[in-house]
Amino acid sequence: SQTIHQWPATLVQPVGSPLSLECTVEGTSNPNLYWYRQAAGRGLQLLFYSVGIGQISSEVPQNLSASRPQDRQFILSSKKLLLSDSGFYLCAWNSGGSQPQHFGDGTRLSIL
Amino acid sequence: GDSVTQMEGPVTLSEEAFLTINCTYTATGYPSLFWYVQYPGEGLQLLLKATKADDKGSNKGFEATYRKETTSFHLEKGSVQVSDSAVYFCALTPNTGNQFYFGTGTSLTVIP
Repeated sequence: SQTIHQWPATLVQPVGSPLSLECTVEGTSNPNLYWYRQAAGRGLQLLFYSVGIGQISSEVPQNLSASRPQDRQFILSSKKLLLSDSGFYLCAWNSGGSQPQHFGDGTRLSIL
Repeated sequence: GDSVTQMEGPVTLSEEAFLTINCTYTATGYPSLFWYVQYPGEGLQLLLKATKADDKGSNKGFEATYRKETTSFHLEKGSVQVSDSAVYFCALTPNTGNQFYFGTGTSLTVIP
């Protein structure tokens, strides 16, 4: 069966520090991969999605970036975090088309 | 463009009450529709789905019917439990491309 892993589960970082969040999927090949951010009490904001290695689509201009170095690995990064980057970050995958997305457990990021 | 609108919360119900969470959508073509549930501090879990008009998705006592004539996909449960307390998201994918569109979420609290 397919599983998705996100880490770390929680992270506290100072303003201006770098960020790297990792997401991996097991049990499937060539998944579509997605990064979302969820502000407290709010809905989901799509940040990036990828349909293949090295292929990244950005939905919202910001100081975050994403990379897909391997088929089932999706990384969210920042060189310098802002206070506004605080939130709950969710990774998701699906096999494309009309298939449902499946989510990881999320990373709660707090910026001090 | 495609979008999902769901009723604003929060919704508070007594145990064993009937639940309806309204969801309407705007889409060209024939989207697939989904309901997701998010428990506190966790990622989203797929609750049910429907891929064509008049389909009824059901799971764990929840159900929703894909109504093309009213562009709706309302979530219902006949008798809620305290354990159903969570945030519920309606979502669609247009079946072309790789986009997903989520509603803003409806928070449900069930009191004993």
